[in-house]
Amino acid sequence: KAGVTQTPRYLIKTRGQQVTLSCSPISGHRSVSWYQQTPGQGLQFLFEYFSETQRNKGNFPGRFSGRQFSNSRSEMNVSTLELGDSALYLCASSIGTGGSGANVLTFGAGSRLTVL
Amino acid sequence: GENVEQHPSTLSVQEGDSAVIKCTYSDSASNYFPWYKQELGKGPQLIIDIRSNVGEKKDQRIAVTLNKTAKHFSLHITETQPEDSAVYFCAASFGNQFYFGTGTSLTVIP
Repeated sequence: KAGVTQTPRYLIKTRGQQVTLSCSPISGHRSVSWYQQTPGQGLQFLFEYFSETQRNKGNFPGRFSGRQFSNSRSEMNVSTLELGDSALYLCASSIGTGGSGANVLTFGAGSRLTVL
Repeated sequence: GENVEQHPSTLSVQEGDSAVIKCTYSDSASNYFPWYKQELGKGPQLIIDIRSNVGEKKDQRIAVTLNKTAKHFSLHITETQPEDSAVYFCAASFGNQFYFGTGTSLTVIP
């Protein structure tokens, strides 16, 4: 059974550019969540999608956006990149939505974004 | 919202010793507490979890305890091995969102 696949794994952008990251969840998983990981900050929640609808959003500026397709694949976009956006962006999928023990998160390996 | 604090941020132990990582949370409504292990270059992987109706759970060398009254939970690793070296994250789940601690970098010295 394939795990959560994130592409690209590494990318370098310059300030002001935009970037799109992709996440393919585990087959049968309908929920996809995105997290930003930076040293010392741990994992910060960006947003969650379930059945193509954004169910929850973290405390990030509007430059961060996402979407989910009918096959549950998800993309996130960051516009007008800033130096502080350099981070590892993690995608996690789960069978359903919600934070109960029935919805275990399975993470991908992440996309490491460097903004110069 | 929920706030999860994790200590220590770094931990070094001799191989064979035990390691303990502690987390506290703020919202008494949180009812699910997973622990993740992240190895270099990989995403976090679930290693054990506990629900609010359970006080302790064990899986071989790993155990998690939960004190709902004090709002803290801990990860215990016994007989540590070099392959246990990684960053460990605790999390508390409330509603439809997971809140993560800032991580503990565990080093097991052979």
